[in-house]
This record gives sequence, structure tokens and C-alpha cells, in this order.
Amino acid sequence: KAGVTQTPRYLIKTRGQQVTLSCSPISGHRSVSWYQQTPGQGLQFLFEYFSETQRNKGNFPGRFSGRQFSNSRSEMNVSTLELGDSALYLCASTRPGRRAGELFFGEGSRLTVL
Amino acid sequence: DAKTTQPNSMESNEEEPVHLPCNHSTISGTDYIHWYRQLPSQGPEYVIHGLTSNVNNRMASLAIAEDRKSSTLILHRATLRDAAVYYCILRDGASGSARQLTFGSGTQLTVLP
Repeated sequence: KAGVTQTPRYLIKTRGQQVTLSCSPISGHRSVSWYQQTPGQGLQFLFEYFSETQRNKGNFPGRFSGRQFSNSRSEMNVSTLELGDSALYLCASTRPGRRAGELFFGEGSRLTVL
Repeated sequence: DAKTTQPNSMESNEEEPVHLPCNHSTISGTDYIHWYRQLPSQGPEYVIHGLTSNVNNRMASLAIAEDRKSSTLILHRATLRDAAVYYCILRDGASGSARQLTFGSGTQLTVLP
């Protein structure tokens, strides 16, 4: 069974650009959450989607946005990139019917902003 | 939001048991306690979770205090492959949302050969 797939794995952008990251959850999983990981701040929650609806949002500026499609795939977008946005962006999915079930994480997308 | 606190780092000798503590004094009745670990350059990996009773699986055991304000992840025989950052988080069983919005810095476990 394929795990959570994130693309691209690595990317380099310059300040002011925008970026879109993709996450394909495990087949049958409908809940997807996103996290930002930096050496200084650790793993911080960005947002959570279930059945195409944003269910929860972390404390990030409006430059960070996301969406979920009908096939449960999710994307997150960061506009007007800043140097501080350099991080590992992780996506996780949860099995259906398991409200507090375990999170299955992808390998992440490592974004470097120059 | 409910928060968890963990020691920044711990050391253990190989093949000895390891007890990783986590405090969650503001836990609510519907919060599940989850543990994950992260190896370098990888996404976090699920270890174990529980609500009230102690839990065992092939990876570890989870001991939950009677008042649920703290828990301990137990690795029965640490191996070098267990060296990782261990995170303790809370997930709300009522809404299904991650009640805790940040994993925090976790505990860096070093296993000495």
C-alpha cells in the first residue's frame, strides 16, 4: 500500500515568488494536515482538511493557504516567499472513521528560499 | 490549546529500557495521547497512542497516569535505530482535530552502544 506522497521533494525559490506543494494521502484517507518544520521552531501545524473543508488552522499569516480536492489530494500554497519560509513542509493523512487515529506522514517537501 | 512538555534530550545505553516522559496537565477528557518519532531527513513515524489505559504494541508501551496529566513512552530494549526525536502530542477524539497545534521540540534520544 502506497504511503503519503509529497511532491516536489526539494525545491529552491527566490524571495517574492510563490510555491505550490502537493500531497497525495494514502488511498481511502480523507483527512489531510500540513506542518512546517524548521530547526528553530520545531514542527508547527499549518492547517487540516477533511472532505474538502478546512477544519482547523494554525497561527500562520494569510500568505499560507491550502485546499483539498474531491479525491482527497491536497495542495498548499505560499505566496510572496520570505527567507524565513525555508523549511521542511510535511503532510499527514488519517484513516477514515478514526477521529483521533494515528497520523501517517510523508517524507516532506524541502523548500529553500534564496 | 492543550500543550505538552518534554525534556529536550535523554540518553540511554543500547539494550536497556528507556522511559520518555511527557506532561500534559491541561489535557481534556476527549484527548488522545499520541507519540511519534522522527529520524533525520524523514517524516515523523507513528509509535503509539492511548486514551486512559496503558497500551502496548510491537514498538513500545505507553503508560498513562491515572489523572492523565502525564504519560511515559517505554522502549523496552533500546537499539541504535531508536535514536530519534520523540514527540508527544494530543489529538481531540471528539472533533478529530489536532488539539495541539504544534509538536514542540520533542525529546532527542541518544542511544549509546
